This record gives sequence, C-alpha cells and structure tokens, in this order.
Amino acid sequence: AQSVTQLGSHVSVSEGALVLLRCNYSSSVPPYLFWYVQYPNQGLQLLLKYTSAATLVKGINGFEAEFKKSETSFHLTKPSAHMSDAAEYFCAVSDRGSSASKIIFGSGTRLSIRP
Amino acid sequence: DVKVTQSSRYLVKRTGEKVFLECVQDMDHENMFWYRQDPGLGLRLIYFSYDVKMKEKGDIPEGYSVSREKKERFSLILESASTNQTSMYLCASSSDTSYYNEQFFGPGTRLTVL
Repeated sequence: AQSVTQLGSHVSVSEGALVLLRCNYSSSVPPYLFWYVQYPNQGLQLLLKYTSAATLVKGINGFEAEFKKSETSFHLTKPSAHMSDAAEYFCAVSDRGSSASKIIFGSGTRLSIRP
Repeated sequence: DVKVTQSSRYLVKRTGEKVFLECVQDMDHENMFWYRQDPGLGLRLIYFSYDVKMKEKGDIPEGYSVSREKKERFSLILESASTNQTSMYLCASSSDTSYYNEQFFGPGTRLTVL
C-alpha cells in the first residue's frame, strides 16, 4: 500500500526566501508522485509529477521537487517565494494497486508569504 | 484544454434535504472521483467510477451515493443532508491511458448544511 506524509501543516516564509515543503512517501513499488497546488476557493492544479524519468522534476511557477529513494522523500522547493505562491500544497502518490487510477493525498501544507 | 466543471460553487441546504452535486468533464476520461476536503484532513475519497454505471466506494461513502449514467457526468447525492456534511466537495477525472494516473480537478462546491 502507498501513503504520503506531509511534515508541517503550515509554513510561513518571507517574500524572496526559499520555500521548502516536505513530503515523505511509503510505497512497496516504485512510486509515481505528485505535487498539487490549491489557490483560495479553487480546485487542485497539478504542479509537477515524478514518473521515474528524472529524479529532479521541474514544475510550473518555478517550483521543483527532488525524488530521493534513500530518504523516501519528495520535497518541494522554490528558490525565491512570491506573494502569489500563497496557497495550500498537497503531496500525493498514485495508488498503483487500485482498480481505477486512484491517488492518495497527504493532509496538505498551507504556505503563507510574509511581505 | 482540459476541463472539469461543477454545477455550483456555493450551495446552502437545510438538514434533511436531498442534495445533488453535478460534475461534468469534457476530456472523455474513463475515471471520475468525488472527494470532500476538510481543514487538517486533506482530501478524502467518497466514491469513484471507472466506467459508465460502474462505481466503487471510497474511504468515506456513508451518507452518500453516486450516479454515472453518461461517461462525462458523475453525480454525488446526499440522500438526507446533515450538518456534518458541510464541507468542500471536489470532483476529479483521469484517463486510463495516462500511465501515471494524474487527476484533473473541478473548482469545487462549498456546501453548507444548516
């Protein structure tokens, strides 16, 4: 069975500072991993996905994530935070044993940006 | 462009009412999902469907039912709404041809049950 754990329900950084959102996964098979972003009062939008082609994955809006098998981690980073990055971020893993392409989501991390 | 739409952005209902939430996707996706989202709990899967008229229970199906009569439409039904069903409801779809199973989401319906 697959699962993800997001460390920290709320992260606050200053504008221009590094953004680091942590995600650890558990999977008995090579995982497919995702980061989704949810802006206020909107649905979820795919930020990036790891599909085993490359361990460093680049996504939209300057975000990237690195797959580290030895640490079972898939942390999301952005070198310089912008006010528009304020949102909730979800790490997720594909449930490859399911009957219909289910995804298992973490509990989410709310990112706040201080001016 | 990929699109999933939900019938209402905001909905207010009274306890005991029957509530219908509609979701439509225009991507010819086989799979459709209903989640509810509550603070601190992330997304929890209510029901999903992998084909027309086919459905399976998710993690929290109690108090809900679903209907999928056409491939593009997936409805969530609250037979008798209760206050603990006040939540954000999100619909999503995905394709069987996507090896990685990414899902595409609608904008959500914020339901308040009074």
